[in-house]
Amino acid sequence: KAGVTQTPRYLIKTRGQQVTLSCSPISGHRSVSWYQQTPGQGLQFLFEYFSETQRNKGNFPGRFSGRQFSNSRSEMNVSTLELGDSALYLCASSPGTGNTGELFFGEGSRLTVL
Amino acid sequence: AQKVTQAQTEISVVEKEDVTLDCVYETRDTTYYLFWYKQPPSGELVFLIRRNSFDEQNEISGRYSWNFQKSTSSFNFTITASQVVDSAVYFCALSEAGYSTLTFGKGTMLLVSP
Repeated sequence: KAGVTQTPRYLIKTRGQQVTLSCSPISGHRSVSWYQQTPGQGLQFLFEYFSETQRNKGNFPGRFSGRQFSNSRSEMNVSTLELGDSALYLCASSPGTGNTGELFFGEGSRLTVL
Repeated sequence: AQKVTQAQTEISVVEKEDVTLDCVYETRDTTYYLFWYKQPPSGELVFLIRRNSFDEQNEISGRYSWNFQKSTSSFNFTITASQVVDSAVYFCALSEAGYSTLTFGKGTMLLVSP
């Protein structure tokens, strides 16, 4: 069973640009969550999508957005990039129902903003 | 609000030593789940164990064991006879029942030297 796949794995952007990250969940999983990991703030929840609807949202500015497609694949977008957006962005999938919080993570997309 | 505290930032041990990683949590919920995840250098968070708030039975799985005590809001993790491959960052996490959102601690970096 294939795991969670995130693309791209690494990318470099400059301030003011925007970026789109992609996540393919485990087959059959309908929930996709995104987390930001930085040395200072640690792992912070961005948002969760289930059946193409945002089900939960963390405390991040509106520059961070996401969506989920009918095949459960998800994308997140960060507009007007700031230096502080440099981070590892982790995607996680779960069945989405009967939640016990167990998430399956991808290897992440490491974003560097110059 | 939920909170997870991992007071140990970094632990260094020599191979074959036992090591315990501490985790203290705060939540107002009566039903919740506790987790330990491992993050090797590749970046992917690997699920190790889940415990629900009604199950205080401690568990041993191979070289790993967990000690859950509701009275002290602690969920500690012990590696017996540590190995170099155990070197990673270990995260304790908490979720409310019915939600996929995890609140993570800051993580403990474990370095096992030969």
